[in-house]
Amino acid sequence: SYVLTQPPSVSVAPGQTARITCGGNNIGSKSVHWYQQKPGQAPVLVVYDDSDRPSGIPERFSGSNSGNTATLTISRVEAGDEADYYCQVWDSSSDHEVFGGGTKLTVL
Amino acid sequence: EVQLVESGGGLVQPGGSLRLSCAASGFTFSSYEMNWVRQAPGKGLEWVSYISSSGSTIYYADSVKGRFTISRDNAKNSLYLQMNSLRAEDTAVYYCARNRYCSGGSCYGMDVWGQGTTVTVSS
Repeated sequence: SYVLTQPPSVSVAPGQTARITCGGNNIGSKSVHWYQQKPGQAPVLVVYDDSDRPSGIPERFSGSNSGNTATLTISRVEAGDEADYYCQVWDSSSDHEVFGGGTKLTVL
Repeated sequence: EVQLVESGGGLVQPGGSLRLSCAASGFTFSSYEMNWVRQAPGKGLEWVSYISSSGSTIYYADSVKGRFTISRDNAKNSLYLQMNSLRAEDTAVYYCARNRYCSGGSCYGMDVWGQGTTVTVSS
């Protein structure tokens, strides 16, 4: 089955840029989606199809995907961005949705 | 307002059964593929099951295949998850989630999520 690998944690100071990676075999050939989840809340889609943002998501959130790594970039990080972030793809070989293990973003 | 509301969670003994429901509103439910996703306490998201808009195509995670059954009633704008032979490791918050869209055998993100319903399997 397809595996997505994320770092368990990323820390960044307010105003700086956070980059959260998602590794997978030839993930560049797949569409990657990113979700933000704050404690006690449901996940929220923040980036879809590698780099597009749903309406209402700040432009500070962006994504890229190439080779074996997809990246969620959060610019000008704010305290309110502190959350768990999950990458996700559809694995057509197994007809399964696949989530990464999640990354806890800490704003210092 | 586009909304998904889950219900049916609770405490159940190992080996028991439970049926979860997800009520959809604010969009044309019959046009969208749907999923169940769960999250064990302190753990990450785990996809559980998918159902196509018509209900004709269904997929399951290996961890629940043969024990869980997903279904939908488009006339009632509702999604269901029948869970049998429950185990302690099925303890989790269960979310229903709408696929943004699916095409050509692939799906492209989940853009609407419910607030979740908690299932606890314990004696």
